[in-house]
Amino acid sequence: QVQLQESGPGLVKPSQTLSLTCTVSGGSISSGSYYWSWIRQPAGKGLEWIGRIYTSGSTNYNPSLKSRVTISVDTSKNQFSLKLSSVTAADTAVYYCARDSAGMDVWGQGTTVTVSS
Amino acid sequence: DIQMTQSPSSLSASVGDRVTITCRASQSISSYLNWYQQKPGKAPKLLIYAASSLQSGVPSRFSGSGSGTDFTLTISSLQPEDFATYYCQQSYSTPSTFGQGTRLEIK
Repeated sequence: QVQLQESGPGLVKPSQTLSLTCTVSGGSISSGSYYWSWIRQPAGKGLEWIGRIYTSGSTNYNPSLKSRVTISVDTSKNQFSLKLSSVTAADTAVYYCARDSAGMDVWGQGTTVTVSS
Repeated sequence: DIQMTQSPSSLSASVGDRVTITCRASQSISSYLNWYQQKPGKAPKLLIYAASSLQSGVPSRFSGSGSGTDFTLTISSLQPEDFATYYCQQSYSTPSTFGQGTRLEIK
């Protein structure tokens, strides 16, 4: 059974780069036809799709964040990562990684990232 | 971007009630519509994919219907564990977008 786990700093200073990693266990990130996605949720608010990467390495990003976002995959470590540059307080949220095929069927538990000096 | 609008935003209901939540897309998305349930402090859980397909392990009291721009999620007989927030999501085009959520509360 595939499981996902987010990891990374819980506190990031304004203007710096937020970096998170999602580790895939119970299966290979390279097997199957899946997208690997990042989604975030500010406290008390709804879900925002950040972007995704296919196992081939092709990416799609939310245009609202596109200039600041990079999603990459490391198949040797069975991980994919999110980098969000020039963060502000508006980037404070719970960040989730998820596997996406027909719907996002496997999610990580989420990690809270606070942007504050 | 495709805008997803859910109604109602909140809903009070009793155990055993039949409940319907609506999701409308700002343009046709065929059947590329998914439904999620989220409980406080937890990640969303996929309930329905492709508008009407029940995700494995999800109780059959959950059902989805619709195509084009109008979709519904129905819970045929509410159970105590169903009180949560529900989101629709379009996967027709990127950026994928979610509805604002429907909070289902106990009456």
